[in-house]
Amino acid sequence: GENVEQHPSTLSVQEGDSAVIKCTYSDSASNYFPWYKQELGKGPQLIIDIRSNVGEKKDQRIAVTLNKTAKHFSLHITETQPEDSAVYFCAASLPSGNTPLVFGKGTRLSVIA
Amino acid sequence: DAGVTQSPTHLIKTRGQQVTLRCSPKSGHDTVSWYQQALGQGPQFIFQYYEEEERQRGNFPDRFSGHQFPNYSSELNVNALLLGDSALYLCASSFGPINEKLFFGSGTQLSVL
Repeated sequence: GENVEQHPSTLSVQEGDSAVIKCTYSDSASNYFPWYKQELGKGPQLIIDIRSNVGEKKDQRIAVTLNKTAKHFSLHITETQPEDSAVYFCAASLPSGNTPLVFGKGTRLSVIA
Repeated sequence: DAGVTQSPTHLIKTRGQQVTLRCSPKSGHDTVSWYQQALGQGPQFIFQYYEEEERQRGNFPDRFSGHQFPNYSSELNVNALLLGDSALYLCASSFGPINEKLFFGSGTQLSVL
């Protein structure tokens, strides 16, 4: 089955700097890659997702890039703000609707004001 | 528009007991998926319900069972609780039996003593 590795496990950045979180996946057939943000005491919230037919997607300060050949994808957050502090999870799934999302172990991002 | 609601928010049980967790999906959604999130880990897929049937199941024992009602709400039941069942149980809803654009609730924190 699919396996998703995520790193780093923790990341501290100064407010205004950029943050990058990287994930690798094992199954080359995977074609859907979402990123979720989980704040303390809350459930994961979808912040951006990308499909394998797209190399990059951007939404304001957040962008995701995908390298299908290397089987890795990354989350980029620019101009970080204290409210970006949270745990971020990447995930991957296969094309079939019968395959669930497989999540990475998460990255705890701390933005220092 | 209410999002995904879960109850109770916290629960304490002892080994061997049984527990029932409840979930109401986001308005307009008809599919419910359950995930288990251990401390410091990413969510792990338990199962998915659509049209009142279990459509997919992750690598969880038969002690974990569920149900979906005609109004699309769902229950997760865990029998013969083990200490290792202590975790945050997340419910996610979607429109259709897919694993994309999932909306998560805030979860039920289960502690087994």
